Amino acid sequence: SAVISQKPSRDICQRGTSLTIQCQVDSQVTMMFWYRQQPGQSLTLIATANQGSEATYESGFVIDKFPISRPNLTFSTLTVSNMSPEDSSIYLCSVWNIEVHEQYFGPGTRLTVT
Amino acid sequence: AQKITQTQPGMFVQEKEAVTLDCTYDTSDPSYGLFWYKQPSSGEMIFLIYQGSYDQQNATEGRYSLNFQKARKSANLVISASQLGDSAMYFCAIINAGGTSYGKLTFGQGTILTVHP
Repeated sequence: SAVISQKPSRDICQRGTSLTIQCQVDSQVTMMFWYRQQPGQSLTLIATANQGSEATYESGFVIDKFPISRPNLTFSTLTVSNMSPEDSSIYLCSVWNIEVHEQYFGPGTRLTVT
Repeated sequence: AQKITQTQPGMFVQEKEAVTLDCTYDTSDPSYGLFWYKQPSSGEMIFLIYQGSYDQQNATEGRYSLNFQKARKSANLVISASQLGDSAMYFCAIINAGGTSYGKLTFGQGTILTVHP
């Protein structure tokens, strides 16, 4: 199974600022995703991080608010821009191992916006 | 569109007993997969078990088994011999195995499991 790390593990940020979350995988993976989990809620897919091209966003999420980069097959970043308290959530990256039908998650970044 | 329904907001079980967490799904795709994840209070998502739509046998992983009834569109998780450490939130999710939604997970609302000593 892939080992996934995320930085930071948690942060408290002020309204109007931006935070970049990093996701590092210990092996090359084809598909990487970013999810959001608002307090007391289930997980919602933000976007698919595509290597070498623009991310594919789900309905309700836009690039200006959640810019994503994926420079290679082991690394991706998600930026939460111009934050508001409604952005307080756990943000998780995941990788999809097609061969063994397993999708693993990073440990998550717990973001609080004040 | 795909949908997952978990009708049990909370479940209680006595230590060492078995418990079943319910999950029903809806999809128009012939090829799909079903996942169960455990989320303890730390927030991490722990992969438990996977069932493919074409798999003939129910998946098992240690104390976890998946009761897959395709005609009923249900994929219930059975945890045998519950342990105190099993207390957590459990999510059922469906993945599309093809098309533009390939690899994307759709989650249910989750079930909080509490194991009593």
